[in-house]
Amino acid sequence: AQTVTQSQPEMSVQEAETVTLSCTYDTSESDYYLFWYKQPPSRQMILVIRQEAYKQQNATENRFSVNFQKAAKSFSLKISDSQLGDAAMYFCAYRSAIRWPSGTYKYIFGTGTRLKVLA
Amino acid sequence: GAGVSQSPSNKVTEKGKDVELRCDPISGHTALYWYRQSLGQGLEFLIYFQGNSAPDKSGLPSDRFSAERTGGSVSTLTIQRTQQEDSAVYLCASSPELATQETQYFGPGTRLLVL
Repeated sequence: AQTVTQSQPEMSVQEAETVTLSCTYDTSESDYYLFWYKQPPSRQMILVIRQEAYKQQNATENRFSVNFQKAAKSFSLKISDSQLGDAAMYFCAYRSAIRWPSGTYKYIFGTGTRLKVLA
Repeated sequence: GAGVSQSPSNKVTEKGKDVELRCDPISGHTALYWYRQSLGQGLEFLIYFQGNSAPDKSGLPSDRFSAERTGGSVSTLTIQRTQQEDSAVYLCASSPELATQETQYFGPGTRLLVL
């Protein structure tokens, strides 16, 4: 079974600085997707960035980028020029590229990292 | 367009009461998921709907939990005889079906507190 581990329950970063959130996962599959979701106090889970495992190039979305190390099964999120609005819980998630017999793609989520941004 | 909505936003109930949580997915999204998020935990998968059918109920923690979806749209998660351990945030997500890069879109969740 797949697992996702976020070993940092909480991180702090100074406004305008850069922070990296860690995520490791375990799988025997060769093709899958990885995601970072942001959950602000409003509870609305927002997709931050997505990475396809078959792509070697690291995904980027504006100030957000990932360091995807497939062999090491590591998928860290780097936030550059941190802003106060970046403060939230960040969840790493894994999704197989293969549907289960039920037809669903099952997502496996980590336990989250709470990011505090200091003014 | 409108995103996924859930109601109520917060629900406080007494142990032993039944509760119903509602999810309105994004129009046209045929896949719908329910998750439970307990304090300090990640998201726990509960149930998946494909249209109106629920081919995957493997995550429902007990027979006190049930869910239905009507008209391929609105879904209701029902918890009977609530227990204190049911206290959590219940999140709903929808996604377009048969997309090769399927992405889930989440609602704001319902925070349930069982006293």
